[in-house]
Amino acid sequence: GESVGLHLPTLSVQEGDNSIINCAYSNSASDYFIWYKQESGKGPQFIIDIRSNMDKRQGQRVTVLLNKTVKHLSLQIAATQPGDSAVYFCAENMGDYKLSFGAGTTVTVRA
Amino acid sequence: DGGITQSPKYLFRKEGQNVTLSCEQNLNHDAMYWYRQDPGQGLRLIYYSQIVNDFQKGDIAEGYSVSREKKESFPLTVTSAQKNPTAFYLCASSTGGRAWQYFGPGTRLTVT
Repeated sequence: GESVGLHLPTLSVQEGDNSIINCAYSNSASDYFIWYKQESGKGPQFIIDIRSNMDKRQGQRVTVLLNKTVKHLSLQIAATQPGDSAVYFCAENMGDYKLSFGAGTTVTVRA
Repeated sequence: DGGITQSPKYLFRKEGQNVTLSCEQNLNHDAMYWYRQDPGQGLRLIYYSQIVNDFQKGDIAEGYSVSREKKESFPLTVTSAQKNPTAFYLCASSTGGRAWQYFGPGTRLTVT
């Protein structure tokens, strides 16, 4: 089975609000995590990554939080825009060259 | 611009035929990957290659074959042995084993 999964398959958010997408992982030995965004019919696009020696990492409008104690990862998107509507995947590095992906969360931005 | 090219975007084949999906990258990445994505699901690893002339099976390699004769190219052949080949196929590349992977636009294969 999958070792990485998302808590909710769908998320509806009002434009301008902040979005929080959650992800749980089961392999306590994992030390590298990545968030991807996938728009319909396209390949996944890298958003942000974080290594296990960090708890938080910020990018442009996005923040990733890592809680190793409960094996939880989250992606926060500030001031959500219509262009943020997509499927978001977290991926866990299972060892060199192997990523394990969850099923994804579909984010829909309401105008 | 650097990136990954997958062709064609849509591919249709009859059951029992082998089909080869193209993947080319000009990012100078050593590692390349093939994933399969089914509707509403995450990505599953088919094969990956760390360097030229070397590749390893992923989680769902049965019914697929690959080659890595050039650094830039990593074609995937979907054989007639693959029982459920209709899917969205994604190629990716990375600089190394613990780096994020850069994805191509994908090829949607339909087998009838």
